Amino acid sequence: AQSVTQLDSHVSVSEGTPVLLRCNYSSSYSPSLFWYVQHPNKGLQLLLKYTSAATLVKGINGFEAEFKKSETSFHLTKPSAHMSDAAEYFCVGVTGGTALIFGKGTTLSVSS
Amino acid sequence: NAGVTQTPKFQVLKTGQSMTLQCAQDMNHNSMYWYRQDPGMGLRLIYYSASEGTTDKGEVPNGYNVSRLNKREFSLRLESAAPSQTSVYFCASRKNTGTTAFEQYFGPGTRLTVT
Repeated sequence: AQSVTQLDSHVSVSEGTPVLLRCNYSSSYSPSLFWYVQHPNKGLQLLLKYTSAATLVKGINGFEAEFKKSETSFHLTKPSAHMSDAAEYFCVGVTGGTALIFGKGTTLSVSS
Repeated sequence: NAGVTQTPKFQVLKTGQSMTLQCAQDMNHNSMYWYRQDPGMGLRLIYYSASEGTTDKGEVPNGYNVSRLNKREFSLRLESAAPSQTSVYFCASRKNTGTTAFEQYFGPGTRLTVT
């Protein structure tokens, strides 16, 4: 079974500085991994996905994530934070071939 | 194309009352899911339906029942609400095939408070 662990519950950055949200996974097979974003009082939106193709995955709004098998990591990055990036971010895996398994989330705060 | 819709958006119940949360998708997806979101817990799977006519328990099914009414609709029922069921409930659907097979599309959520 797959599991995901988000290493930080809260990350604070200044506008224009880089963003790093960390996620580790455990899986006995090649995983499918996602990052979802949830803005306040909104539903969840898919940012990007990894499904065994390129290890560097580009998503929407300038985000990208790199799958590193040797480190069992799938960290989310963005070169320059924007105020609109303030949200909760979830690292997500797949379990049993059907349902998603969510990390506990990382709240990103962006200050001006 | 509305995607995944949920009703109601907000609901307050008294302990012991029952209610049904409705979910519908217009993307012709095969699988549908119900999750609950609690602070610091991420989303946890309550029930899912891999295809029309089938339903299965997820991680936290106790206190809930579901019905896959047809391919479009998947409802979640609380028979006797408890304060521990205060949460935000999300419905999602998934295509099952092709390059986007694992992507799930989420509704806007139902915020439920049980007093």
